[in-house]
Amino acid sequence: RKEVEQDPGPFNVPEGATVAFNCTYSNSASQSFFWYRQDCRKEPKLLMSVYSSGNEDGRFTAQLNRASQYISLLIRDSKLSDSATYLCVVGPPRGYSTLTFGKGTMLLVSP
Amino acid sequence: NAGVTQTPKFRILKIGQSMTLQCTQDMNHNYMYWYRQDPGMGLKLIYYSVGAGITDKGEVPNGYNVSRSTTEDFPLRLELAAPSQTSVYFCASSSPAGRQKPNEKLFFGSGTQLSVL
Repeated sequence: RKEVEQDPGPFNVPEGATVAFNCTYSNSASQSFFWYRQDCRKEPKLLMSVYSSGNEDGRFTAQLNRASQYISLLIRDSKLSDSATYLCVVGPPRGYSTLTFGKGTMLLVSP
Repeated sequence: NAGVTQTPKFRILKIGQSMTLQCTQDMNHNYMYWYRQDPGMGLKLIYYSVGAGITDKGEVPNGYNVSRSTTEDFPLRLELAAPSQTSVYFCASSSPAGRQKPNEKLFFGSGTQLSVL
């Protein structure tokens, strides 16, 4: 099983739609989880952290399921500007170490 | 603040040439990283540093070297460029909230597109 696995997509949705992405991770001891956004040919930027109880930031909702080892990102009322690649990122079990990035899920929002 | 600055933005190398990718940050971050991203692939960690004078190998260090003589700078050196090193390179920095907490937010530079022909 790959460390961090995502459906590459692309997910094609119309404006205003709700879309959800899942990501699975292999290390059950992982302690931190994030969603990053990467626009075409640009650097990744942190979209939001994912907390155990789930969290929301405007139109974006992130959920963590430790038992099944997956995290999700829900985008409501999609905008054209949401078109990007969404990277699932998982942190290490403990102490200082480095993050593991998924390959990303591409989202295309059309008018 | 400029954040994380990478130079150059683009470079074409011939096989066997050497070059240094520059990275500097003005946020006084302790931790710095070099990633490479191949088309359709996730970011792969090349090297990282937890502070001046300390560097560690990441997932794909072969063919690269780094140094960290100051908090601000973290250059990446390619000694004998190979076609397999054609990629987009990202430098990043972060400052963890606490000793036991992993990095929460990485700040990335805008990347260097490198082609080795």
